[in-house]
Amino acid sequence: DIQMTQSPSTLSASVGDRVTITCRASQTINSWLAWYQQKPGKAPKVLIYDASTLDSGVPSRFSGSGSGPEFTLTISSLQPDDFATYSCQQYESFPWTFGQGTKVEIK
Amino acid sequence: QLQLQESGPGLVQPSETLSLACSVSGDSISSGSYHWGWIRQPPGKGLEWIGSFYYGGTTYYNPSLESRVTISLDTSKNQLSLKLNSLTAADTAVYFCARGEGYQLPHIWFDPWGQGTLVTVSS
Repeated sequence: DIQMTQSPSTLSASVGDRVTITCRASQTINSWLAWYQQKPGKAPKVLIYDASTLDSGVPSRFSGSGSGPEFTLTISSLQPDDFATYSCQQYESFPWTFGQGTKVEIK
Repeated sequence: QLQLQESGPGLVQPSETLSLACSVSGDSISSGSYHWGWIRQPPGKGLEWIGSFYYGGTTYYNPSLESRVTISLDTSKNQLSLKLNSLTAADTAVYFCARGEGYQLPHIWFDPWGQGTLVTVSS
């Protein structure tokens, strides 16, 4: 199985901050990576797929980059609605695997 | 707008079988060539893909759970179902259903998702 490791596990930030989350795969996954946002009690939502393609309706302050084994999710200016947990998923090969999640909390 | 909603027992006894349903609204579960999947998240841990059903009739499972899992489609009810047997406390998790989006296998991500349902395995 491909292991996905996210860092940091928790991130404290303020509204307006630039935030970067990293996801590293245990082997190359080309650009087969998605990022999700999760809020308690709500359905997870895809933000980015194919490592850098913004899903429809997702604010442009979110961006994704990287390829091979290392990827980043960047929020250019953190908004109150962005405090949530973010997870990456590789879909290079079965079984599909996810990172352990990064919780973005209010500083 | 496609919406998914999981349902099932909140508490299950160890060694028993868990049965969950995912009701799909806003579209027919049998329309299009979509993949439908189950994903779970134990308390305080990351997401784990359980398995998926491709409308053509193919099922594919996480090898770590394959011996205990059955996923099927009930087109008359517009539902996806999950059965997981021989439960232990390690199966305690929030269980999500989701539709697969993307390209040919295995290049699939999940969108949209249901809100999830918490299942606790305890006597």
